[in-house]
Amino acid sequence: GENVEQHPSTLSVQEGDSAVIKCTYSDSASNYFPWYKQELGKGPQLIIDIRSNVGEKKDQRIAVTLNKTAKHFSLHITETQPEDSAVYFCATPLRDDKIIFGKGTRLHILP
Amino acid sequence: GAGVSQSPRYKVAKRGQDVALRCDPISGHVSLFWYQQALGQGPEFLTYFQNEAQLDKSGLPSDRFFAERPEGSVSTLKIQRTQQEDSAVYLCATSGDSNQPQHFGDGTRLSIL
Repeated sequence: GENVEQHPSTLSVQEGDSAVIKCTYSDSASNYFPWYKQELGKGPQLIIDIRSNVGEKKDQRIAVTLNKTAKHFSLHITETQPEDSAVYFCATPLRDDKIIFGKGTRLHILP
Repeated sequence: GAGVSQSPRYKVAKRGQDVALRCDPISGHVSLFWYQQALGQGPEFLTYFQNEAQLDKSGLPSDRFFAERPEGSVSTLKIQRTQQEDSAVYLCATSGDSNQPQHFGDGTRLSIL
């Protein structure tokens, strides 16, 4: 079945540096790739998404890149700030309904 | 309200009791999803509604789990004869259509003693 692998599981970066989180997926038919941010005690919040007809999408300090040939997509956060500390999940939908999530990356921004 | 609302936020029950968790979707959202999130893990799909029709319940772990959405708006997830392994955060998400981004509520944290 569909599988989403996410790396790393934990990431610590100095404030102001960049953070990169990578995911690979198995179903070549996947065509939508959202990224969610989850803070303690909250539900996942959609922060950026990309569809398979583009290779990159950027929104201020956040960008997502997609390589359909290699079946991987990455989240890039530049100029990291303390409020970026959270757990980040990549995901892809299965048959356009249920979403399959990665296991998450806990991002720590160090002062 | 503007977002997905779930209640209660916290629920503690004794093993064997029945529980009911409520989800109020974003107004007009057709699709509604329930997920289970264990500690330190990503959310896992339980079931999906389009309006009042339950189109996919393949993720429900056992027949003790039951979900409904009788009028195509509010949904209830019911767990009968709860067991300790049911302890988790239950998340509800809704979208305008099956091909639109899903927006999550803050979940119900269920603890079974």
